[in-house]
Amino acid sequence: QVHLVESGGGVVQPGKSVRLSCAASGFIFSGYSIHWVRQAPGRGLEWVAIISSDGTTTHYADSAKGRFSISRDNSRNTVYLQMNSLRPEDTAVHYCARGHAPGSFLIDFWGQGTLVTVSS
Amino acid sequence: IVMTQSPDSLAVSLGERATINCKSGRSVLSSSDDRNYLAWYQQRPGQPPRLLIRWASTRESGVPDRFSGSGSGADFTLTISALQAEDVAVYYCQQYYNSPITFGQGTRLEIK
Repeated sequence: QVHLVESGGGVVQPGKSVRLSCAASGFIFSGYSIHWVRQAPGRGLEWVAIISSDGTTTHYADSAKGRFSISRDNSRNTVYLQMNSLRPEDTAVHYCARGHAPGSFLIDFWGQGTLVTVSS
Repeated sequence: IVMTQSPDSLAVSLGERATINCKSGRSVLSSSDDRNYLAWYQQRPGQPPRLLIRWASTRESGVPDRFSGSGSGADFTLTISALQAEDVAVYYCQQYYNSPITFGQGTRLEIK
């Protein structure tokens, strides 16, 4: 079955960087877009970014533009989220999630998430 | 597209009906395929979200038939016909009509 496992979270100082990884299995990875969605403690869901199945197209939320970068390695079935210039308000569980179909923004499966805490 | 859910929280007795509303800031009905690009997700405590309904009214495989979605254009409803204990969760609507993808603020459903 579809399996998405995030890693790379932890405590990071403000202004520093972190790279999250999302390892996928159970489906043909190269055929699906992948999203990152985050959830601050006790808050709702905030979409962050999407990368197309071949990695050529990306979209970002305004809060991520210029600071975050999404990429993928289809040979490793892995998607990355490079997060720079981190702020306390970036503290959240970060989920990777599978896009339903090429060209669709629908999310159909989610990983368990990795917590990023931005604090000095 | 701003997504607004109501109410923010809801307490319903076991076996009773629960209704959650979602309004989008603009229509998410596509003229090209006549589909509403609206999904509903369930997030149980400590769990990631789970897709319940796509295209406003199409239930996912494995989702109990007490869950139903309705509406079109900019006004949508998620109904749970007879609340079960395992339905305690936060429910989110989401538009996938365009980028940036946006979610409603969530509705917390509890047992009365």
